[in-house]
Amino acid sequence: EAQVTQNPRYLITVTGKKLTVTCSQNMNHEYMSWYRQDPGLGLRQIYYSMNVEVTDKGDVPEGYKVSRKEKRNFPLILESPSPNQTSLYFCASSTLGVNSGANVLTFGAGSRLTVL
Amino acid sequence: GQQLNQSPQSMFIQEGEDVSMNCTSSSIFNTWLWYKQDPGEGPVLLIALYKAGELTSNGRLTAQFGITRKDSFLNISASIPSDVGIYFCAGQGGSEKLVFGKGTKLTVNP
Repeated sequence: EAQVTQNPRYLITVTGKKLTVTCSQNMNHEYMSWYRQDPGLGLRQIYYSMNVEVTDKGDVPEGYKVSRKEKRNFPLILESPSPNQTSLYFCASSTLGVNSGANVLTFGAGSRLTVL
Repeated sequence: GQQLNQSPQSMFIQEGEDVSMNCTSSSIFNTWLWYKQDPGEGPVLLIALYKAGELTSNGRLTAQFGITRKDSFLNISASIPSDVGIYFCAGQGGSEKLVFGKGTKLTVNP
């Protein structure tokens, strides 16, 4: 089944304890992206990647890092989490170039992170 | 930056009623997408629109790409309880970036 898989789905951690949220897609998609969803703010893009070894900042990149060493994986790293990073996180992927470059994203099921 | 205004923010309707929501922008878009997010899940694509004026249906759902390329609407006919969730519009302009609306939260009373 074509899908985007995120882990963990739920995590409670403490301020300053480094964590990584993994994301993997099995659709051979070039484009991958991370979003956070907060009440009243909708989906905000954190980082994105156009292809392997190509990453760029989205709208809210502060406090996050990403890497794209392989096409299928795009982990989100919080080096020193803070309470304002408590949120629902979504990974998404797409294949650009089909339908004139339309970016039709497939989303993962989400990772709910709580930082105490 | 580009912004989408999605309305209404929330809707409370009775089962069987029709629903309409829309998104408007000050910028022109080349693609409009509509997603639905069920509670506890990620957004799932409902309808993709690629041309101005395009009207596309998916079961009881119908979406249109506005002629001005600055708006889109989604209609749901004869709502049922499983229609509950958050509906997001998303627009894509001249780059790969998708701009999302803030969502319309739909509640359907049986």
